[in-house]
Amino acid sequence: DAKTTQPNSMESNEEEPVHLPCNHSTISGTDYIHWYRQLPSQGPEYVIHGLTSNVNNRMASLAIAEDRKSSTLILHRATLRDAAVYYCIRGNAGGTSYGKLTFGQGTILTVHP
Amino acid sequence: NAGVTQTPKFQVLKTGQSMTLQCAQDMNHNSMYWYRQDPGMGLRLIYYSASEGTTDKGEVPNGYNVSRLNKREFSLRLESAAPSQTSVYFCASSVKGQVITSYEQYFGPGTRLTVT
Repeated sequence: DAKTTQPNSMESNEEEPVHLPCNHSTISGTDYIHWYRQLPSQGPEYVIHGLTSNVNNRMASLAIAEDRKSSTLILHRATLRDAAVYYCIRGNAGGTSYGKLTFGQGTILTVHP
Repeated sequence: NAGVTQTPKFQVLKTGQSMTLQCAQDMNHNSMYWYRQDPGMGLRLIYYSASEGTTDKGEVPNGYNVSRLNKREFSLRLESAAPSQTSVYFCASSVKGQVITSYEQYFGPGTRLTVT
């Protein structure tokens, strides 16, 4: 089961940091954590991925718990453009799961001006 | 560099009609995917093509066929449309290399299909 658990919705104010949590208590040792986001009326957009250690890129940071059963996507300064549905997805690095992203319902992030 | 393009953007079909959704990418990616997204839901994988000449079923393949025409193009065909296929269809592509790169997918803008 490749399920992850995310809150249905979260709210933030513009220019404040946002921490989006994700639980993946049954994660295996070869599962990566991927984050995508989907802006209204658009296709999903890749944000970041990680395995064990924290990761940073120009869009966000990903903090992975030491036991890997949870992770947090961090948007350092939310903008109105960050209002979207955020998906946390497990992806196994093994060959049989090639490219098979399993999207849940994600977290709807609302950003207030 | 257009990325992933899909045609048409919108389509209305009657039950039983057929149609083909077109997808093309100009990023020289090897792998391509078709997803559907029902209202208020996450995306579900219909079919994917790990490389030119291969196609495999995803989570919800029934009622669909695909063709990997060449490296750039991957089409999705509905032979006999049903109201349950009303959805938004997204095409995506990724680099084929290590398995991990297959998860970094680039999505098109979607085709909004209504079957009445």
